[in-house]
Amino acid sequence: DAGVIQSPRHEVTEMGQEVTLRCKPISGHDYLFWYRQTMMRGLELLIYFNNNVPIDDSGMPEDRFSAKMPNASFSTLKIQPSEPRDSAVYFCASRDGRGSNQPQHFGDGTRLSIL
Amino acid sequence: GNSVTQMEGPVTLSEEAFLTINCTYTATGYPSLFWYVQYPGEGLQLLLKATKADDKGSNKGFEATYRKETTSFHLEKGSVQVSDSAVYFCALSRNRDDKIIFGKGTRLHILP
Repeated sequence: DAGVIQSPRHEVTEMGQEVTLRCKPISGHDYLFWYRQTMMRGLELLIYFNNNVPIDDSGMPEDRFSAKMPNASFSTLKIQPSEPRDSAVYFCASRDGRGSNQPQHFGDGTRLSIL
Repeated sequence: GNSVTQMEGPVTLSEEAFLTINCTYTATGYPSLFWYVQYPGEGLQLLLKATKADDKGSNKGFEATYRKETTSFHLEKGSVQVSDSAVYFCALSRNRDDKIIFGKGTRLHILP
């Protein structure tokens, strides 16, 4: 089975530019999570969706960040305008919400560098 | 609130040494407990889990026992290999919760 697929794997851009990160969850999973990982702050949950609906976006750092899930097989995380402090690895994860205590499955991440 | 505390790294061991990474948790009710591993350049992947008290999760030679009396879920391996070098995350979720609460991670270096 295909796992969670993220694109691009690496992104380097200049500050002020718009950045769009993409995620395809595992088919049939009804939960989707976006995380950010840095050395300083560790792993942070930004936002998560259930059945394409945003449930909790309290981790989104500021209005420059937005996330959408237009259908069950695709989600985007957008940063506009980007700043150097947004440099991090961004992970997408999905989970099958049927049954309790199912684990999250992570993609390999997008390494974002804002110059 | 719910939280996970794990020992700070990095932990450096020689190959074939015994490994323990401590993890304690705070949660209401009866959470499920997980260990995730992150290899360089990759996302987190589930290593093992336990869903009730006294359960032992095991995988790839790693073990962890759910101890409700000490609110702990320590990760152990009898003989580590260089390929075990990674970051290990302890995590919990309460029944029917949407989110998983992760610890800060422990970086493990195994020297040949």
